[in-house]
Amino acid sequence: AQSVAQPEDQVNVAEGNPLTVKCTYSVSGNPYLFWYVQYPNRGLQFLLKYITGDNLVKGSYGFEAEFNKSQTSFHLKKPSALVSDSALYFCAVRAPFYGNNRLAFGKGNQVVVIP
Amino acid sequence: DAGITQSPRHKVTETGTPVTLRCHQTENHRYMYWYRQDPGHGLRLIHYSYGVKDTDKGEVSDGYSVSRSKTEDFLLTLESATSSQTSVYFCAISGTGVNTEAFFGQGTRLTVV
Repeated sequence: AQSVAQPEDQVNVAEGNPLTVKCTYSVSGNPYLFWYVQYPNRGLQFLLKYITGDNLVKGSYGFEAEFNKSQTSFHLKKPSALVSDSALYFCAVRAPFYGNNRLAFGKGNQVVVIP
Repeated sequence: DAGITQSPRHKVTETGTPVTLRCHQTENHRYMYWYRQDPGHGLRLIHYSYGVKDTDKGEVSDGYSVSRSKTEDFLLTLESATSSQTSVYFCAISGTGVNTEAFFGQGTRLTVV
């Protein structure tokens, strides 16, 4: 079964500094990978996805993520963090080519951007 | 925003009573999911559906059942609610092919007393 690990519970970063949120995955075959963001008392919002092609994918709000097959990682990045980026971030994976369309999430990372 | 609605948004119920949560979509997406979100556990999959009357268990399915009699509706039933089922429940929908990202409802906060 597929799984996702987000090793850090919380990421603190100063406003204007680069932001990185780490994600590693385990799946049979080629993965579909996703990042979501959740603001307090809200549902999850889709940020970006990797399906195939270029390993660097760009998404909403200036976020991007890099797919690294050899390291089974899909880290989320933003060059310059904003206070408004403070939220809970989730990485997710699915493996549709094996007939398994379960969408598995990591435990989430709380991002705190310090003014 | 994707057309996905959860009802009710908030519910308080007593231990031992059955509870049904509803997820309704207007996107005609094939896949529908029920998750629960708890501090320290992230999102855990309860059940999911890959078509009308086609469902499968997730990682925390004990005590829950689901039904999907129409493409647009996916019901989650707590057969006999327990305090450990106090949680926030999210429904999600996703399509196929390149449109495979999931879209989430606003959540249902369920308290079992």
